[in-house]
Amino acid sequence: DAKTTQPPSMDCAEGRAANLPCNHSTISGNEYVYWYRQIHSQGPQYIIHGLKNNETNEMASLIITEDRKSSTLILPHATLRDTAVYYCIVRGTDSWGKLQFGAGTQVVVTP
Amino acid sequence: KAGVTQTPRYLIKTRGQQVTLSCSPISGHRSVSWYQQTPGQGLQFLFEYFSETQRNKGNFPGRFSGRQFSNSRSEMNVSTLELGDSALYLCASSLQGESYNEQFFGPGTRLTVL
Repeated sequence: DAKTTQPPSMDCAEGRAANLPCNHSTISGNEYVYWYRQIHSQGPQYIIHGLKNNETNEMASLIITEDRKSSTLILPHATLRDTAVYYCIVRGTDSWGKLQFGAGTQVVVTP
Repeated sequence: KAGVTQTPRYLIKTRGQQVTLSCSPISGHRSVSWYQQTPGQGLQFLFEYFSETQRNKGNFPGRFSGRQFSNSRSEMNVSTLELGDSALYLCASSLQGESYNEQFFGPGTRLTVL
């Protein structure tokens, strides 16, 4: 699976959009981009995933660049409950149930 | 639909003992993965089971083992516990474990080894 690079931390004001970047320059054509988040001491929570097209669900939007070398997770209206560590993960076809977690981005939403 | 459940939620053991953790996946999910989370190493993949077979394995010693039952429920076992095995153990389930299947995590079992 391709390696990902994320900023270690970022702050966001409550009510504003949070844009979380992820670099995955070695991604191959059949690898998916996943986003998870983990609130302190809880199990990671699935947010969204995509292959080539941009995706949106009730939690967030995922924007993948045309060359697929980077992506951005957008939380449209951040709340205090969005404070968490956010993980960007790339999964290949031979991952068989494995998610390769990195250090993630610690997001702090402030009032 | 009920989520992934793990039992027990907290466990205290002493060095040299063994421990068994249990995971019940979301109904209909056939793939179960296990992870270990420690402050020093972060979230690390232990192994994955699908249709009662271990299909993928991380880089952990043989003291860590698991199994899956015909109803997709899974257990993991750690023998000869060491202090460094103190961690949050997480279980996740997905439909088939394929790269396009999202995984859903349980709340974890917090293991403390004294």
